[in-house]
Amino acid sequence: DQQVKQNSPSLSVQEGRISILNCDYTNSMFDYFLWYKKYPAEGPTFLISISSIKDKNEDGRFTVFLNKSAKHLSLHIVPSQPGDSAVYFCAARLYNNNDMRFGAGTRLTVKP
Amino acid sequence: NAGVMQNPRHLVRRRGQEARLRCSPMKGHSHVYWYRQLPEEGLKFMVYLQKENIIDESGMPKERFSAEFPKEGPSILRIQQVVRGDSAAYFCASSQYRGSRNEQFFGPGTRLTVL
Repeated sequence: DQQVKQNSPSLSVQEGRISILNCDYTNSMFDYFLWYKKYPAEGPTFLISISSIKDKNEDGRFTVFLNKSAKHLSLHIVPSQPGDSAVYFCAARLYNNNDMRFGAGTRLTVKP
Repeated sequence: NAGVMQNPRHLVRRRGQEARLRCSPMKGHSHVYWYRQLPEEGLKFMVYLQKENIIDESGMPKERFSAEFPKEGPSILRIQQVVRGDSAAYFCASSQYRGSRNEQFFGPGTRLTVL
């Protein structure tokens, strides 16, 4: 039961360009979406989130877009930096629920 | 303020042995969550606990797995009679409050290898 999907296992971009990571979900009852970043041998760290009542949330170089009708969200990183190289997980939560549903992750490589 | 701590970081067990994974939440956090990440997959929710109570164990396998979060001490995820398929990274997270809006902070994980 994969309710959250990240169809691109990897993405490579040049430093300074935009990175766009995509995520699709199937459960229309999800009301909160999050992006986590994970470096090797570390736990995921929270990056940015968005409520289902919004379509955009911005925090510095990171912007998350939500398209509810398409059940799609994306994370934009601009400009991309080599330090952004990591695995990015999309996650979704049901209202007032305890667990998060994670996608399989996208490995981002930013080349200097 | 120390983050979420997990130990051991790496654990090797032979088939049939028991594995005990420990998680100390962030100071002031009373909600603990356990996730498992199989190779090439995302994290999968296992169980949510508050002090002395299991709140939601819907993601926990019905057999061999158990979890506790005693009044004193860390949360423990226990796997009895481990099998090769249990090999995975196990992450613990904690939050200050419950509910979907509350950020979960993750520990570094325990990588379990079953020989």
